[in-house]
Order: sequence, then C-alpha cells, then structure tokens
Amino acid sequence: AQSVTQLDSHVSVSEGTPVLLRCNYSSSYSPSLFWYVQHPNKGLQLLLKYTSAATLVKGINGFEAEFKKSETSFHLTKPSAHMSDAAEYFCVVSGSYNTDKLIFGTGTRLQVFP
Amino acid sequence: DAGVIQSPRHEVTEMGQEVTLRCKPISGHNSLFWYRQTMMRGLELLIYFNNNVPIDDSGMPEDRFSAKMPNASFSTLKIQPSEPRDSAVYFCATSVGTGGTGELFFGEGSRLTVL
Repeated sequence: AQSVTQLDSHVSVSEGTPVLLRCNYSSSYSPSLFWYVQHPNKGLQLLLKYTSAATLVKGINGFEAEFKKSETSFHLTKPSAHMSDAAEYFCVVSGSYNTDKLIFGTGTRLQVFP
Repeated sequence: DAGVIQSPRHEVTEMGQEVTLRCKPISGHNSLFWYRQTMMRGLELLIYFNNNVPIDDSGMPEDRFSAKMPNASFSTLKIQPSEPRDSAVYFCATSVGTGGTGELFFGEGSRLTVL
C-alpha cells in the first residue's frame, strides 16, 4: 500500500535561512508524489508534483523537491525562507489501485522567525 | 475563476441537528472530493465523485453521513443527526479528469462545531 511519512511535525527557521521539510514514501510501484501547502484558515494548494519525469521538481514560491528512489525520499527545500512561507506542508502520494485517491501525510508546520 | 466555493464557512449546531455543507466546483472540473480535517486524524478522504457519479465512499464514517452531486455545478455533504465528534473542517476539492493528476483545487473549508 502507498504511504508517506513526514519526519518532522514542526520545523522552525529564521527568515533568510534554508528550509528542509522531510518526507519518505512507501510504494509498490513508481509513485506520483506531491507537496501541498495550507496557510491558516485556508484550503490546501498544490506546491509541486513529481510524475516520473525529471527527478528535481520546481514548484511555486521558490520551493523544489528531489525524488530519490534509492532513499525513498521526496524532501522539500527552499534556499531562503520568507515570513510568508509559514504554513502547514503536506507530502502526498497517489494511491496504487486508484490513482485518484491521494494519501496525505500528517503535515509539517513551518514557523519562520524574523 | 472564482475557485471552489464552499458554504457555510462556519457552522455551529447542537447535537442531533442536521447539517448540510455545500460545494460549487470550478467550472469544467469533473472530479469532486470531500475531505475532513481534524487535529487527531489529519486529512481524510470521505467520498469522491467523477462526472457526478460517486466512485468511492469508503471513507464515509457512518450512515449518518451522505453526499450527493445532482449536477456538475453543485454537491452537498449532509450529516444527520450530527454528533460532537463530527466537529472538524470539511473541505471540498475538485480536479480536471481522472488518473491521479494530483492537482486538486481546494475550497477554503467549512468549519463545523457540534455542541
């Protein structure tokens, strides 16, 4: 069965420093992987997606993620954090038997300090 | 485009009352998903429709929950009777086509509090 594990429930960084949000996946086949962001009291928004093309995926707002099959990881990074990046981030994998069903991780709350 | 529109944004009701949450999808999107988000259980898929037809309702917690999509521009999620443990934020999300594109567009959610 497909699953994702977000290794940190909370991450705190200072503005201008790099961001790393970690995600490991489990999949019986080559998965589609996504990162979504949720700002307070808002719905989720797609940041980026990997669908077996380039392993380094660029998303919105300067975020990117690298698919590493050997490590079963899909970590999200950003070179320099901005105050507006403070939000909840979800790593997501598509289901195996039904690719319409997305499986969400438990989320990582990113805090950005001035 | 106005995006996915959900109503009401906030609902406070008493145990035993009927609750109806509404969703207007983005025009042209033919898949619609209802999710529930709580601190304890995270984001759970309740049910989804494709071309107005329910495809998978295995996430609907109990018979008290029902969902309909009478046409391509409207869906409802109903809870009858409501219980305090139903308190959560309910999201509607839509996408174009099927096949796991993963590009879901979420509404801003309906926050339900059952007293």
